[in-house]
Amino acid sequence: EAQVTQNPRYLITVTGKKLTVTCSQNMNHEYMSWYRQDPGLGLRQIYYSMNVEVTDKGDVPEGYKVSRKEKRNFPLILESPSPNQTSLYFCASSLPDRGRRGTEAFFGQGTRLTVV
Amino acid sequence: KQEVTQIPAALSVPEGENLVLNCSFTDSAIYNLQWFRQDPGKGLTSLLLIQSSQREQTSGRLNASLDKSSGRSTLYIAASQPGDSATYLCAVIRNNNDMRFGAGTRLTVKP
Repeated sequence: EAQVTQNPRYLITVTGKKLTVTCSQNMNHEYMSWYRQDPGLGLRQIYYSMNVEVTDKGDVPEGYKVSRKEKRNFPLILESPSPNQTSLYFCASSLPDRGRRGTEAFFGQGTRLTVV
Repeated sequence: KQEVTQIPAALSVPEGENLVLNCSFTDSAIYNLQWFRQDPGKGLTSLLLIQSSQREQTSGRLNASLDKSSGRSTLYIAASQPGDSATYLCAVIRNNNDMRFGAGTRLTVKP
């Protein structure tokens, strides 16, 4: 089954304790991205990756890191989480066509992170 | 900067009604537009993807249209059911797969 898998689904942590949210897709997609969703602000892109070893900042990258060492995995790293990073996080993937136009995006089930 | 607006923000209808959700965007230089459904606290489920060369797509009771020149898309839901209650999000997809989301329309279908 084609899917994007995030782990964990729920996480409560304390300020300053490093954490990683994993994201894996089994569709051989080149493009992967991370979003956070907050009430009243909608979905905002954190980071994206066009392919292995190619990553770039989205609209709200501060406080986050990513890596893309393999095509299928795109972990989101919070080196020193703070309460303002409490949010619902989504990973997404898609496969651009040869014209680099956007194709259908698939989303993970989300990770609800609470930083106290 | 691309702005995506969805109107209305919330909608409540009785079961069986046909309804239209609206999405507008400021930059017509988009490649595709995708509609999603999101249940409370859950992930995004893709409903319809409209390629830039298309004007509409249909899936079951859902029909989505796209007018790039006017910067608008509509999602039409026929014969609404309580199970359609969810938040509906539209996203415009620009070059290199960059996606911009609207804030969503929260739909409630009352039995």
